[in-house]
Amino acid sequence: DTAVSQTPKYLVTQMGNDKSIKCEQNLGHDTMYWYKQDSKKFLKIMFSYNNKELIINETVPNRFSPKSPDKAHLNLHINSLELGDSAVYFCASSQDGRTGELFFGEGSRLTVL
Amino acid sequence: SQQGEEDPQALSIQEGENATMNCSYKTSINNLQWYRQNSGRGLVHLILIRSNEREKHSGRLRVTLDTSKKSSSLLITASRAADTASYFCATAYTGTASKLTFGTGTRLQVTL
Repeated sequence: DTAVSQTPKYLVTQMGNDKSIKCEQNLGHDTMYWYKQDSKKFLKIMFSYNNKELIINETVPNRFSPKSPDKAHLNLHINSLELGDSAVYFCASSQDGRTGELFFGEGSRLTVL
Repeated sequence: SQQGEEDPQALSIQEGENATMNCSYKTSINNLQWYRQNSGRGLVHLILIRSNEREKHSGRLRVTLDTSKKSSSLLITASRAADTASYFCATAYTGTASKLTFGTGTRLQVTL
């Protein structure tokens, strides 16, 4: 079983559309994250949830809205997609969010045309 | 920006040689971690070193931490073609609970 799984792996869409990426972890971890990796491989944190509660919200446009229905799931919804949103989005989890080891999903490559 | 800087950006070596990557950061940290990312894949945790530790080993990996210089190095000994990947350092800054800041990465190519 994959520890952190995210879907879809690839997403190609037009500017202005709305899309979602789903993430699930079966590790029993309390904390989940969304990271964005750009074309230069720069990895930047976007959001973090601990037990369904938002604890980190970096300077991300309001068009990005995370949702955590339970501590095993963290979804990312993006409204009104822009060209600059093209990137690989990684979901990750950690046991308790105290800056320990992160477990990453395989990434979701979003291409906005 | 608190982003760490890694050096070199790219490294090409032959199988069997050692590979050394360096990471510099800016403020006080709780710990520093190294991750590997194979092409098209997610990041995989390699090793964590706490701020009160100076050196740590894991298999063919050796990590050092110099908090006075705000730098760390990752040494991979006897490299293999399978070590070809990007390597990232990530820092947990003091006072930024649950947030890891990743460096710019080193692309390692190991040739036969």
